[in-house]
Amino acid sequence: GENVEQHPSTLSVQEGDSAVIKCTYSDSASNYFPWYKQELGKRPQLIIDIRSNVGEKKDQRIAVTLNKTAKHFSLHITETQPEDSAVYFCAASMNYGGATNKLIFGTGTLLAVQP
Amino acid sequence: DARVTQTPRHKVTEMGQEVTMRCQPILGHNTVFWYRQTMMQGLELLAYFRNRAPLDDSGMPKDRFSAEMPDATLATLKIQPSEPRDSAVYFCASAIVRQPNTGELFFGEGSRLTVL
Repeated sequence: GENVEQHPSTLSVQEGDSAVIKCTYSDSASNYFPWYKQELGKRPQLIIDIRSNVGEKKDQRIAVTLNKTAKHFSLHITETQPEDSAVYFCAASMNYGGATNKLIFGTGTLLAVQP
Repeated sequence: DARVTQTPRHKVTEMGQEVTMRCQPILGHNTVFWYRQTMMQGLELLAYFRNRAPLDDSGMPKDRFSAEMPDATLATLKIQPSEPRDSAVYFCASAIVRQPNTGELFFGEGSRLTVL
């Protein structure tokens, strides 16, 4: 089955700096790669995703890149702000025909943005 | 604002007791997931259902855990007997099958279980 590895487990940056979180997946059939943000004591929420037919996607200060050949994908946050502090999870799934199938999550990255 | 509803939010119980957690998916969502979150393991998939039928429960310890969907508005996760190592936050999430598919999972607030 799918296995997702995520690094680093913790990341501390100064406000305004960039943050990068990296993930690798094992199953070449996976075609959907979302990122979820979980604030302390809250539920995970989707912040951005990418499908295997594109290499990069951007939404304001966050961007994701995907390298299908190497089976890795990354989350980039620019101009970090204290409210970006949270745990970030990457995930991988095989979604076909309109179905949302099981997401396998990485172990999470605790991002701390220092003011 | 449609949300996934989970009960109880917090549960403290003693080892050996039965625990039942409940989830109401978003109306119209036909795919329901149960995840367990611990500090060491992150978000582990326990089981998931589509149209109330179990599709995969390979992540669930079969001897003490069971998951069901008695109807489209209720999913349950039961632990019997509970053990201290089951202490975790249990999340339910729901999703919809449609074209185009966003793939988004909508999580509930979680049920925090402590087994003494």
